[in-house]
Amino acid sequence: GAGVSQTPSNKVTEKGKYVELRCDPISGHTALYWYRQSLGQGPEFLIYFQGTGAADDSGLPNDRFFAVRPEGSVSTLKIQRTERGDSAVYLCASSLMSGGRSGELFFGEGSRLTVL
Amino acid sequence: DQQVKQNSPSLSVQEGRISILNCDYTNSMFDYFLWYKKYPAEGPTFLISISSIKDKNEDGRFTVFLNKSAKHLSLHIVPSQPGDSAVYFCAARRYGGSQGNLIFGKGTKLSVKP
Repeated sequence: GAGVSQTPSNKVTEKGKYVELRCDPISGHTALYWYRQSLGQGPEFLIYFQGTGAADDSGLPNDRFFAVRPEGSVSTLKIQRTERGDSAVYLCASSLMSGGRSGELFFGEGSRLTVL
Repeated sequence: DQQVKQNSPSLSVQEGRISILNCDYTNSMFDYFLWYKKYPAEGPTFLISISSIKDKNEDGRFTVFLNKSAKHLSLHIVPSQPGDSAVYFCAARRYGGSQGNLIFGKGTKLSVKP
């Protein structure tokens, strides 16, 4: 597809369950980012991949959160032992590493996670 | 402690008039400032950016002004159109920070009335 694709668009789970959220970036974009947007807040940085490696994971809130990008394209955000406070929209974005305007990220529509 | 602040949660403007969205920041160690626009059920889309070494950047109807001494930036939309109705986020990137590690404000919801 032409844009960043995220699945599922909505996920409802119970407290304590494991969740995976998937992101398919724009073809050719080497950089991939995960953000989280809670109600009434702006997006909050979680992790940034350059290729297959996590170049900056300083935003992951704790060790229940983990993300992978094994082939340098699709990424999966994994949340273990979900808590009600994890409820948010999880946004994925991608970008080219060269050219373009600095900081210009292309966001997907997000995955809305609700933890009951 | 919020490093990027958008103190107005909402703004209503008449079509054809100027919209001015404001953003304040507390950290002097930002090298780029950006504005993103978000429609309901969509991801944010990039609008315009400005380097910290500039004080103005213009792109069509959109102009961003940066006042470093006041740690303040603003986005001007002239003339405003109903299609501009959306939530606008101000964001900043730290010097030496990774490209996509942006700090966002809480957003301002702009409503442009026909």
